[in-house]
Parts: sequence; C-alpha cells; structure tokens
Amino acid sequence: GALVYQYPRRTICKSGTSMRMECQAVGFQATSVAWYRQSPQKTFELIALSTVNSAIKYEQNFTQEKFPISHPNLSFSSMTVLNAYLEDRGLYLCGARDPGVQNTLYFGAGTRLSVL
Amino acid sequence: GQQVQQSPASLVLQEGENAELQCNFSSTATRLQWFYQRPGGSLVSLLSNPSGTKHTGRLTSTTVTKERRGSLHISSSQITDSGTYLCAMDDNYAQGLTFGLGTRVSVFP
Repeated sequence: GALVYQYPRRTICKSGTSMRMECQAVGFQATSVAWYRQSPQKTFELIALSTVNSAIKYEQNFTQEKFPISHPNLSFSSMTVLNAYLEDRGLYLCGARDPGVQNTLYFGAGTRLSVL
Repeated sequence: GQQVQQSPASLVLQEGENAELQCNFSSTATRLQWFYQRPGGSLVSLLSNPSGTKHTGRLTSTTVTKERRGSLHISSSQITDSGTYLCAMDDNYAQGLTFGLGTRVSVFP
C-alpha cells in the first residue's frame, strides 16, 4: 500500500539555525508533494506545492528563501527551514498525491520543530 | 480566500453515544476529506468522498458539494475515538488541501 515516510519525527534547533526534513513516498510515484505547517493553536497551512516538472508554488507568507524545497524525483522531497525562529515552531507535514488512487493525498507522520 | 469551517469546536460524549461533526466550505470542492489527528500530531486519513455517502467502520461521511457542506457521523463512540477531527477541502487535484480548525472530541466512560 501507499506510505509516506517523513523524518525526522522531532527536532530541536537553536534560534537562527536551519533544519532539513525529508519526505519519501513508498509504494507509489507521487505526482505532487505538498508541505504544510501547523503552528500552535492553529490549523494546517499550505506552505508550498511541488509538482514534478513544474516550478514549486509557494503560498502567501511563505517564500523559497525561507523554505527551500527540493523535489528531485517522483518519490522524494525535502524542505529546509532556514534561520529558524520561535514563530517557525510547529508540526510540519508533507503530503504526496498518488495518481493510482484518484490522486489521494497521503500524509507523512510529521516533523515537530522546536526552536530554542 | 478559501475557507473551511467546522462545528462544533469541541464535543463531549459519553461512551456509546453518536456524534455528528459538520464541515462547511466557501468554494466548490472536488471532494472533502476527513482526518483524525493523533495526540502526537500525525494525521490519519479517515474518509474521502466527492459527494454522497461513504462508510468505514463506525464512521459515515456525507458530502453535499452543491450546498458546500459535509458531515462526519460517529456511531457508538468509544473512548479511543477521542481526539481532533479535521475536515479538508480538496478543490483541485493538483493543489493542496485547505483544512478546517478541527473538532476536538472527548469520549468518557
């Protein structure tokens, strides 16, 4: 079955440093990967949508300069949080679309980022 | 912009009771997806349907796309059903989802 592995599950970084999270689709080739953030007391916000062979589309309030994404093939994507500060803490989720299951979006377990 | 509104914000149930969670969205959706968010934060996909009714176990999802609303019915609630239920609107297969704020369900014996 379709699975999405996301790692690390938890990470702590010092204010001003950067951290990278990775997302691996297993059992299917993802047509697109979406990255979300759930900040404390908030719902999930879409950061960016990455579709293979297309430019990565960032949502308002999120930029490539702050959240660079790499999507080199149909099964792997990574996102870095550069110069992390308190407002960047939260749960980051990646979701990958499986074209073989009506483009259903499958989510990884998430990466919880704490910033000291 | 697109919005998804869920109600109620929280719900307290006695074990065995049924519950109905509501979801309203502001624009035409291709489908509605329901998720359960575990205490650790990870999402479990429950049901996804473009319209009509879909069942899995004790859960029933009903979507009326034209009226921009959907619902999730939990029958015979169990203590392990406690958690946050999120509704998400999928308006284009190539786009991401728009999430509601969730309904926090607490089931007590």
